[in-house]
Amino acid sequence: QKEVEQDPGPLSVPEGAIVSLNCTYSNSAFQYFMWYRQYSRKGPELLMYTYSSGNKEDGRFTAQVDKSSKYISLFIRDSQPSDSATYLCAIFGSYGKLTFGQGTILTVHP
Amino acid sequence: ETGVTQTPRHLVMGMTNKKSLKCEQHLGHNAMYWYKQSAKKPLELMFVYSLEERVENNSVPSRFSPECPNSSHLFLHLHTLQPEDSALYLCASSQDAGYEQYFGPGTRLTVT
Repeated sequence: QKEVEQDPGPLSVPEGAIVSLNCTYSNSAFQYFMWYRQYSRKGPELLMYTYSSGNKEDGRFTAQVDKSSKYISLFIRDSQPSDSATYLCAIFGSYGKLTFGQGTILTVHP
Repeated sequence: ETGVTQTPRHLVMGMTNKKSLKCEQHLGHNAMYWYKQSAKKPLELMFVYSLEERVENNSVPSRFSPECPNSSHLFLHLHTLQPEDSALYLCASSQDAGYEQYFGPGTRLTVT
């Protein structure tokens, strides 16, 4: 079983739609959960992180963690064409080790 | 220069060549990383350096040899690579080997 599973998509939505991106993980010991965004020909950039369970909101983005079901989500409200990118979930272990999901390719079309 | 820079951005090498990838961070961090990103595979951690000491070697073949001469610079020396080593190689840095890692744009490596 992979440590982090993420549906690679691709996902295509119209501008203004609500986008839901999801990952599952296997190790219940993890406490930090991250979302990275990667534009074409660029490195990933940290979008949001959540510690333990609960929600975290930043503008149009909401990160959610449900530790009981080992499920992490990223919601994008009022999606824009500029949100088109690959979204990577990641979990943080010891010694700086980030374990990534495969990434979901998102396209928001005008 | 700001953030994390990587050179070269693109590299084509034969299986018998020796080349090096360079990474430099301008963020004042004390930990640096090499990751490999292959098509249809998750980003994969290769090496972690914290305070210039290697603290993680994620079962990477010996044909990849990292070097961290100081906290701002990281190299990945390549020799006798295989075609399956073709990938995007990303460098990252953070403070105290933490979760907030900043990535460079990557080096697109093609092994022929």
